[in-house]
Amino acid sequence: ELKVEQNPLFLSMQEGKNYTIYCNYSTTSDRLYWYRQDPGKSLESLFVLLSNGAVKQEGRLMASLDTKARLSTLHITAAVHDLSATYFCAVDDRDSNYQLIWGAGTKLIIKP
Amino acid sequence: GAVVSQHPSWVICKSGTSVKIECRSLDFQATTMFWYRQFPKQSLMLMATSNEGSKATYEQGVEKDKFLINHASLTLSTLTVTSAHPEDSSFYICSARGGSQNTEAFFGQGTRLTVV
Repeated sequence: ELKVEQNPLFLSMQEGKNYTIYCNYSTTSDRLYWYRQDPGKSLESLFVLLSNGAVKQEGRLMASLDTKARLSTLHITAAVHDLSATYFCAVDDRDSNYQLIWGAGTKLIIKP
Repeated sequence: GAVVSQHPSWVICKSGTSVKIECRSLDFQATTMFWYRQFPKQSLMLMATSNEGSKATYEQGVEKDKFLINHASLTLSTLTVTSAHPEDSSFYICSARGGSQNTEAFFGQGTRLTVV
C-alpha cells in the first residue's frame, strides 16, 4: 500500500527566512505533485515532478524529486506573507487506477 | 492547465433533502473523474472514482446509496448527496483526468455543503 508522509504538519516562520517541507512516499510512483490550498478554496497545482533529479522553480518556491530516496522537497526562499497556505504533496498510485495518494498537508504561516 | 468547473461553490440545504453537485471539464474530455471530501484541517479523502459510462467505484466506508455519482458524458459528472444530514456538511472537491491513466488530474473549485 502506497503511503505518503509529509512533514512538518505545521510551520510558523518569519518573513525573509528559508525553509523546506518534506514529502516521503513508500513505493515507486510515476509522478509527484505539489499543491497549494488557501482557506475555503480548492487546490492550486504548483509543480508536477516526473523524473529522478527533477527540479522546478516558480518564484520563491522550488520543488525537487529524488526517486531513489522516494523523497520530494518544497523549498521556500525568503518567505513572504502571501505564501501562507496549506501545502499538500501527492503521488500517483499505479496499482490503484493512478489515483492520488495524499500527504497530510503542511500548514504554513508566515509572520511579518 | 485544463479547466474543471464545479458548481455550486456553496450550498445550504435542509436535513432530509438532496443536493446535486456538478463537475464539468471545459476544454478536455474527462475519461475519469474523482470525488473527494475534505474535513476541516485534514487532507483530501477519496470518495469514489468514476469512468465515463461506467458505474462509480466507491472507496471503503463510502455509502454508494447516499452519495450517488453519475458520469454520463465525457465532460460531466455529478455527485448527489441524498437525504442529507448535518454530518454530511463538508467541502467536496472533484477532479478530472483525460486520456490515459497516468495523466495529470485537474481540480474543480470545490463545493462547501452545509446541512441545517
